[in-house]
Amino acid sequence: IAGITQAPTSQILAAGRRMTLRCTQDMRHNAMYWYRQDLGLGLRLIHYSNTAGTTGKGEVPDGYSVSRANTDDFPLTLASAVPSQTSVYFCASSDSGTGLNGYTFGSGTRLTVV
Amino acid sequence: EDQVTQSPEALRLQEGESSSLNCSYTVSGLRGLFWYRQDPGKGPEFLFTLYSAGEEKEKERLKATLTKKESFLHITAPKPEDSATYLCAVQSGAGSYQLTFGKGTKLSVIP
Repeated sequence: IAGITQAPTSQILAAGRRMTLRCTQDMRHNAMYWYRQDLGLGLRLIHYSNTAGTTGKGEVPDGYSVSRANTDDFPLTLASAVPSQTSVYFCASSDSGTGLNGYTFGSGTRLTVV
Repeated sequence: EDQVTQSPEALRLQEGESSSLNCSYTVSGLRGLFWYRQDPGKGPEFLFTLYSAGEEKEKERLKATLTKKESFLHITAPKPEDSATYLCAVQSGAGSYQLTFGKGTKLSVIP
């Protein structure tokens, strides 16, 4: 089934540890995005990539890094996790850089930093 | 700065009771307004893109409309399976193609 696969589904992480959230899509979409969703704050963009080899910062990029070595994969790394990074993380993709045809979202990674 | 405000935060309807969800926005030149549906424990699912005031789009029991300052998602004769959180987002014509999301309206349809 075409779509986005995120891993892990959930994770409890000790503060200070490094963690990479994985995101893979099989739709050959050019653009990919990482959002976090927090109760009362909605979805906020962390980083994005309009095409393989390029990345950009979103609204809340601090403490996170991304890479886009190929079209299909867009991992999100927390270099040294802090409790405020406890959230649900969604990866998304769109078939164009404009996103006007809508995003396809993954099912999310629920991360708890303790 | 782009802003999106959705109301109400939560809405309970009886099955068959039609209603509307509101999305008010301020944006530097609207490129597109989006509606998504999100079920518990899942990622948002794309419903519609609206581009200009006066535009309408329909999908089953849902109809989205757009004015220069707000959008409405009309739900006609809802069923329990329409229960979900509905998210509104905007994309401005200035700068990057980022979406700004509202906080959503949680809709519960009671049998």
